[in-house]
Amino acid sequence: QSALTQPPSASGSPGQSVTISCTGTSSDVGAYNYVSWYQQHPGKAPKVMIYEVSQRPSGVPDRFSGSKSGNTASLTVSGLQAEDEADYYCSAYAGSNNFCVFGTGTKVTVL
Amino acid sequence: EVQLVESGGGLVQPGGSLRLSCAASGFTFTTYAMNWVRQAPGKGLEWVSIISPSGSTTYYADSVKGRFTISRDNSKNTLYLQMDSLRAEDTAIYYCAKKRGTGQTGRDLDSWGQGTLVTVSS
Repeated sequence: QSALTQPPSASGSPGQSVTISCTGTSSDVGAYNYVSWYQQHPGKAPKVMIYEVSQRPSGVPDRFSGSKSGNTASLTVSGLQAEDEADYYCSAYAGSNNFCVFGTGTKVTVL
Repeated sequence: EVQLVESGGGLVQPGGSLRLSCAASGFTFTTYAMNWVRQAPGKGLEWVSIISPSGSTTYYADSVKGRFTISRDNSKNTLYLQMDSLRAEDTAIYYCAKKRGTGQTGRDLDSWGQGTLVTVSS
């Protein structure tokens, strides 16, 4: 199973929005509504920010939103804040024997 | 509060073995599937394995199939990863992570440990 494709980097100024894409196939992103997004700060464990394409866990700011169209999912961070600077990984379910296919990761920089 | 604490990492020679543990607390361990995910230094996340709540069903990434074995002791609320025939490319931080939802609900990982570093080198 190949990794999902994400842009290596994205950036924006405080208050602006940034959108990260995650491209897979009809066997993973396109097959199920089980796309998740994880935020990882340096030296820390990943934290889920979005699950099931667009659901936000309790405690995650509503500045974070997710969507999907066909084989591509997207994460949008609105009203960028300094603490949003981190690596972001998408993930998709691809069947029982491929529970989690991760994306290549995107480094978000707040200018 | 969910807590996952990994241990057992360290330096091992190529071809060697290591067993990782993950002590779980703050939730009903016997109800949730559990996973191992790894991250090579400076690289992205890679899913390694999943085990069902009872331990009867397991799946592995192709990169570790036949070399790694996931297991759990529900009486001790502990998850394990037995790693054999280790290779340099297995060098990574290994995280244990809990699946969201019970049964057929949830396909993401809603709680993660802090990870344990495994280094395979001579």
